[in-house]
Amino acid sequence: GQNIDQPTEMTATEGAIVQINCTYQTSGFNGLFWYQQHAGEAPTFLSYNVLDGLEEKGRFSSFLSRSKGYSYLLLKELQMKDSASYLCAVMDSNYQLIWGAGTKLIIKP
Amino acid sequence: GAVVSQHPSWVICKSGTSVKIECRSLDFQATTMFWYRQFPKQSLMLMATSNEGSKATYEQGVEKDKFLINHASLTLSTLTVTSAHPEDSSFYICSAREDRAQHFGDGTRLSIL
Repeated sequence: GQNIDQPTEMTATEGAIVQINCTYQTSGFNGLFWYQQHAGEAPTFLSYNVLDGLEEKGRFSSFLSRSKGYSYLLLKELQMKDSASYLCAVMDSNYQLIWGAGTKLIIKP
Repeated sequence: GAVVSQHPSWVICKSGTSVKIECRSLDFQATTMFWYRQFPKQSLMLMATSNEGSKATYEQGVEKDKFLINHASLTLSTLTVTSAHPEDSSFYICSAREDRAQHFGDGTRLSIL
């Protein structure tokens, strides 16, 4: 079967760095997405990785290792507004997105 | 950038009413759109995949006669919740595929009294 695993909840301090991990097992692979979702709102796109390595975009970076079925989202200089759920999703061989359950990130002052 | 418009944002109606939700891709053509449902504190759940000009593909456990999907053009898909009941109250979100990316609408919060 297809499976996406990510921690349910994480807590970090304002100004610090946090890494949210995602492991996956899917039927084929056409890229991995990270989305941010604030409570009561729709998801917003953060990043897309299809090749191994690190993609940096401002305070957010995303890493992919296809051989290990592993990705992480790295958030630097955390701000209170970063409190949200972070969703990992993998596009399978049918170009369908398989969603993880999301990681709720709590930022404390 | 690509924008997906979803309307309405909020719906409150009586039990037994049918509710139509629209999803439009504003600056790109989307042959494939997706409809999700999300209950509080739960993850996104794919309900169906909508393909322009053909019948939607429903996920297991989703009643196709209750959740009618029409994708009549390359920029519009509609979801109609027929004879809605309180248990259908949820947050419904559409997304449209552009190449490999999926762009989400802002969601529709449906409350059935």
